[in-house]
Amino acid sequence: DAGVTQSPTHLIKTRGQHVTLRCSPISGHKSVSWYQQVLGQGPQFIFQYYEKEERGRGNFPDRFSARQFPNYSSELNVNALLLGDSALYLCASSLARGVGNSPLHFGNGTRLTVT
Amino acid sequence: GQQVMQIPQYQHVQEGEDFTTYCNSSTTLSNIQWYKQRPGGHPVFLIQLVKSGEVKKQKRLTFQFGEAKKNSSLHITATQTTDVGTYFCAGATGGGNKLTFGTGTQLKVEL
Repeated sequence: DAGVTQSPTHLIKTRGQHVTLRCSPISGHKSVSWYQQVLGQGPQFIFQYYEKEERGRGNFPDRFSARQFPNYSSELNVNALLLGDSALYLCASSLARGVGNSPLHFGNGTRLTVT
Repeated sequence: GQQVMQIPQYQHVQEGEDFTTYCNSSTTLSNIQWYKQRPGGHPVFLIQLVKSGEVKKQKRLTFQFGEAKKNSSLHITATQTTDVGTYFCAGATGGGNKLTFGTGTQLKVEL
């Protein structure tokens, strides 16, 4: 079975632009969560979706938004990019409704650089 | 908000030495998970602990959940170069509806 797939793998944007990151979960996983990881730090929770409904939102500005589609894939959108948005964006899928109740399976991430 | 801290931040060991990382939460946890992230890679799930005082072993790795469910530790016996990476704990709260990653411990193993 395929693991979690994310696209694109790398992205370079300029300040003020917007970006869309995509994630396909492991087959059978209905939960998708998004994390931002700055170099040298732990992953910071952005959003979790389960069965297309937002289940949780981290401490990120409204410039960050996400959605989950009927096939359980997900998109993360970031508007009005800032230099500080440069990071590795990780998507994780899992089985359980609660994000902390079952193992997270991470994709390889999207490396976003904002110049 | 909830904080999950890990110590040490970095650890360099000689191959064959033991290694321990400690994880401390500011709030009581529903469960705790441990992940390993190799350089340039993504976090990979290692284990989940649920019960107070629980101890689990995976070959050379021993995981422990504190009695108060606010701290945890990972101990590696006789480290190998394949153990290199950053180890993160992740604490679940709110009945598992929230998961907060720790600050991580970066392990380097020298021959």
